[in-house]
Amino acid sequence: DGGITQSPKYLFRKEGQNVTLSCEQNLNHDAMYWYRQDPGQGLRLIYYSQIVNDFQKGDIAEGYSVSREKKESFPLTVTSAQKNPTAFYLCASSIPGTGLVAGELFFGEGSRLTVL
Amino acid sequence: AQKITQTQPGMFVQEKEAVTLDCTYDTSDPSYGLFWYKQPSSGEMIFLIYQGSYDQQNATEGRYSLNFQKARKSANLVISASQLGDSAMYFCAIVKAAGNKLTFGGGTRVLVKP
Repeated sequence: DGGITQSPKYLFRKEGQNVTLSCEQNLNHDAMYWYRQDPGQGLRLIYYSQIVNDFQKGDIAEGYSVSREKKESFPLTVTSAQKNPTAFYLCASSIPGTGLVAGELFFGEGSRLTVL
Repeated sequence: AQKITQTQPGMFVQEKEAVTLDCTYDTSDPSYGLFWYKQPSSGEMIFLIYQGSYDQQNATEGRYSLNFQKARKSANLVISASQLGDSAMYFCAIVKAAGNKLTFGGGTRVLVKP
């Protein structure tokens, strides 16, 4: 079945450590995204990539880094520079839209990061 | 910049009744799209319905319909005949034409009572 796979589902890290969240898709989508969700709140865009070897900062990119070496993969690294990294992280991909606007996002099941 | 506002943080609805979730938006783009997503307690985001700014008719998908009032910049979601499985967070989102970045509202938590 086609879809988006995020791993790990749950992750604990100590302060000062970098951690990388994996996101793999087999939907053949060009665009991929990383969103952060804090408890009881909406999603905020961290980074997005519209094509291999290219990515752009979203609204809250500070303390995060990404790479897009393959179409299928868009890993997110939460660095020690991120002041408050405990959150739920969602990866998504999208197809080209119909008409004038972009298509819907397809989401993974998320990764919950807790900093101890 | 685009902005989505969902003013209802949470609401209860009786099973089999209809519920309306409010969503207002602010954008300077003449062409845009509006989405509603459902997030159950498991965390994944499930696409429900889409409305384009130039669509003449309100979007419908099964028990979901979108009450789109362009002049008022509102895109309310109506869920008819609520089911226990509808208990979840619901998010409204906007994207500008030819863009890929969705901007999400803060969400509304719905709890369906038996």
